[in-house]
Amino acid sequence: QVQLVESGGGVVQPGESLRLSCAASGFTFSRYGMNWVRQAPGKGLEWVAVIWYDGSNKYYTDSVKGRFTVSRDNSKNTLYLQMNSLRAEDTAVYYCAREGQVVGSYLDYWGQGTVVNVSS
Amino acid sequence: QAVVTQEPSLTVSPGGTVTLTCSSSTGAVTSGYYPNWFQQKPGQAPKALIYSTNTKHSWTPARFSGSLLGGKAALTLSGVQPEDEAVYYCLLYYSAAYWVFGGGTKLTVL
Repeated sequence: QVQLVESGGGVVQPGESLRLSCAASGFTFSRYGMNWVRQAPGKGLEWVAVIWYDGSNKYYTDSVKGRFTVSRDNSKNTLYLQMNSLRAEDTAVYYCAREGQVVGSYLDYWGQGTVVNVSS
Repeated sequence: QAVVTQEPSLTVSPGGTVTLTCSSSTGAVTSGYYPNWFQQKPGQAPKALIYSTNTKHSWTPARFSGSLLGGKAALTLSGVQPEDEAVYYCLLYYSAAYWVFGGGTKLTVL
């Protein structure tokens, strides 16, 4: 069965960096786009970034452009999110979600999330 | 980037029918935005319900359906069950590049 397991969250100070990971299993990882979605405490879902199945294209929401970098290692079935220059407003649960094999079709499977807390 | 708008809250009686909508700041929502719908219950990850406007995932109950209504994406729940109480999010795809979530609709079954 499809499984997505996020890790790497924690408590950091403003301006610091953190790298999140999402370990995938139960499907052919290299055939699917992958997304990061976050949810601030008590707020709605916010799409953060997408990376195509082969890593050839990456897109970000405006608020993280230039600070966050999405990447993947298809040999390790793992998705990453490098987060630099973190701000208090980046505090959220970060989910990884699988996209359909056709880009822009759907997000179907989600991980349980990892918590990032940016606080001084 | 675009703004996607949903009703903040709706209330429905058990066994009733309710329609949630999703609009875009860029204009009418069409099938080209590949509307997706998700359900989220407290403390849980979102669960996918509908994609490409009206296609159900294999696990989606039959009482959930998607459509386009009056320039908006719509999610209709027919024969609402108490367990359908949750927050529902729509998701739209823009410019062959990025996704935008709506703010969510809190559905109360009362």
